[in-house]
Amino acid sequence: NAGVTQTPKFRVLKTGQSMTLLCAQDMNHEYMYWYRQDPGMGLRLIHYSVGEGTTAKGEVPDGYNVSRLKKQNFLLGLESAAPSQTSVYFCASSYSIDRGNQETQYFGPGTRLLVL
Amino acid sequence: DQQVKQNSPSLSVQEGRISILNCDYTNSMFDYFLWYKKYPAEGPTFLISISSIKDKNEDGRFTVFLNKSAKHLSLHIVPSQPGDSAVYFCAASPFGGSARQLTFGSGTQLTVLP
Repeated sequence: NAGVTQTPKFRVLKTGQSMTLLCAQDMNHEYMYWYRQDPGMGLRLIHYSVGEGTTAKGEVPDGYNVSRLKKQNFLLGLESAAPSQTSVYFCASSYSIDRGNQETQYFGPGTRLLVL
Repeated sequence: DQQVKQNSPSLSVQEGRISILNCDYTNSMFDYFLWYKKYPAEGPTFLISISSIKDKNEDGRFTVFLNKSAKHLSLHIVPSQPGDSAVYFCAASPFGGSARQLTFGSGTQLTVLP
């Protein structure tokens, strides 16, 4: 049982390049989330998904797109990377509201992204 | 405008003593509160939570207190152990919506000195 895994662990991009961050969970969770963490700030929600094929915007969605084609995977895309997107990105998953404890989210180890 | 604030970026405590981490919030719609713990190069892990219908929740060495009138919560760790050294994030969630979104504080680095 690996929990939540993220790929890659670290990446350097040039301004304007694109990339996709992959998140996978093996806990059969319905909900998945993408956060970013910047120095001196807490985690901020980028996008989330309450089920396969559905996504919604969080607090800071601009410049990112997401897809949830399979229940266990949640992809975060940067179409044209900017230096302001330099951050540590965390994926998380949880049970649905109906199953209770939805607020208790399980996090991956993070992806460190540097945009030059 | 930060809705969840952790005003102490760092805290040092002697092993065996009590650690008290504080968190303030401004949004009256928050009704569920959590503490997460984070080690370097790892993701946050859930520690303890409390619903707004309670004012205290205890789990082993960890106790969370909620003062709704002051919009303040605190995490008490007693006794503190060196393995407790980590960054602690307070998070809050409002009632309603398809998913209860968490708003995190900026974290407090706890160092427990042996």
